[in-house]
Amino acid sequence: EIVMTQSPATLSVSPGERATLSCRASQSVSNSLAWFQQKPGQAPRLLIYGASTGATGLPARFSGSGSGTEFTLTISSLQSEDFAVYSCQQYNKWPYTFGQGTKLEIK
Amino acid sequence: QVQLEQSGAEVKKPGASVRVSCAASGYTFTDYYIHWVRQAPGQGLDWMGVINPDDGSTTFAQKLQGRVTLTRDTSTRTVYMELSSLRSEDTAVYYCARGPPLGDWGQGTLVTVSS
Repeated sequence: EIVMTQSPATLSVSPGERATLSCRASQSVSNSLAWFQQKPGQAPRLLIYGASTGATGLPARFSGSGSGTEFTLTISSLQSEDFAVYSCQQYNKWPYTFGQGTKLEIK
Repeated sequence: QVQLEQSGAEVKKPGASVRVSCAASGYTFTDYYIHWVRQAPGQGLDWMGVINPDDGSTTFAQKLQGRVTLTRDTSTRTVYMELSSLRSEDTAVYYCARGPPLGDWGQGTLVTVSS
């Protein structure tokens, strides 16, 4: 199965600053990569699919990039509501594996 | 709008089975796969398997092969996930989701396995 590795495990950033989260696949997943945001007690929310396409209603401060094995989620200016856990998932090949998540916390 | 409504929380003893339902509405049921994802307390997301509601075909994560079953009822637009031979490590919130990509999720069902 394809192993997805996210870094860092925890990222401490101040509101208004930029956050950059990474996701690496153990083999190419083309652009079949999604990013999710999850807050405590809630279901995951799709942010980005196709590595760089924003889900409906996604604020412009969120962007995704990459292809093949290296992917990045960037949040350009952090708002209070952005502090959460972010997970990537490849959907190029079954099983559709997730990364272990990056916790974005307030510095 | 698209909705995935899951059944309520369950408490089961080790060795038992659990069945969780996911009722879909707001779209053509047979047009989208339904995936199951679980999340153990404090852990990440774990993809379990997928069903094609159109023909009932399924694919599962290898580690769950033989213990998980996915079925669907097209008349009620409902997908069922059954997990057997439960162990404490199966304690988790179980989600159904539509996709890929997984853009619509159920609210989650907590399954607790405890003696």
